[in-house]
Amino acid sequence: NAGVTQTPKFQVLKTGQSMTLQCAQDMNHEYMSWYRQDPGMGLRLIHYSVGAGITDQGEVPNGYNVSRSTTEDFPLRLLSAAPSQTSVYFCASTRGAGQPQHFGDGTRLSIL
Amino acid sequence: GEDVEQSLFLSVREGDSSVINCTYTDSSSTYLYWYKQEPGAGLQLLTYIFSNMDMKQDQRLTVLLNKKDKHLSLRIADTQTGDSAIYFCAERALTGTASKLTFGTGTRLQVTL
Repeated sequence: NAGVTQTPKFQVLKTGQSMTLQCAQDMNHEYMSWYRQDPGMGLRLIHYSVGAGITDQGEVPNGYNVSRSTTEDFPLRLLSAAPSQTSVYFCASTRGAGQPQHFGDGTRLSIL
Repeated sequence: GEDVEQSLFLSVREGDSSVINCTYTDSSSTYLYWYKQEPGAGLQLLTYIFSNMDMKQDQRLTVLLNKKDKHLSLRIADTQTGDSAIYFCAERALTGTASKLTFGTGTRLQVTL
């Protein structure tokens, strides 16, 4: 049972490039989320989904897109990378109310 | 809006108890969580408490919730060097979905010999 799997683990991009961070879970969880972690700021919610086909914005959505075509996958897209998006990105999933979120190991992204 | 605050740093000696504190602002919080993050790793759920509970104990971990003061604490008994990590408090508001947690900034616990 892999849990929440994020790929890649590390990535370096140039300003203006685009890329997709992958997130997959094998626990049949309806709820999935993307957070970014920056020093001294804890984790901030970027986008989240309450089920396949349903997504919504979190606290810091600008510059990011998501889609949820299947229950298992919740990719995060950076359309035009900016240095301010240098961060560690975490994907999480949960079964629902009262259940804790399970986190992936993170993707460390640097934008030059 | 929701806000969760924690102190940034705590240092304790091995074998002593650690108490990590957290305050939150949203009185409608339903669940409160403690996560542990070791260097270079993701977040590991330690424990969580429902808002109608005052205390929860799980082996070396004790969670205390003072709902009136909106204060949550995590006590680690007999702290070991392996407990050195960053500890995050997080809350889920009543109006939020299970996907939305608000995290504190994290408390870095340093365990000295």
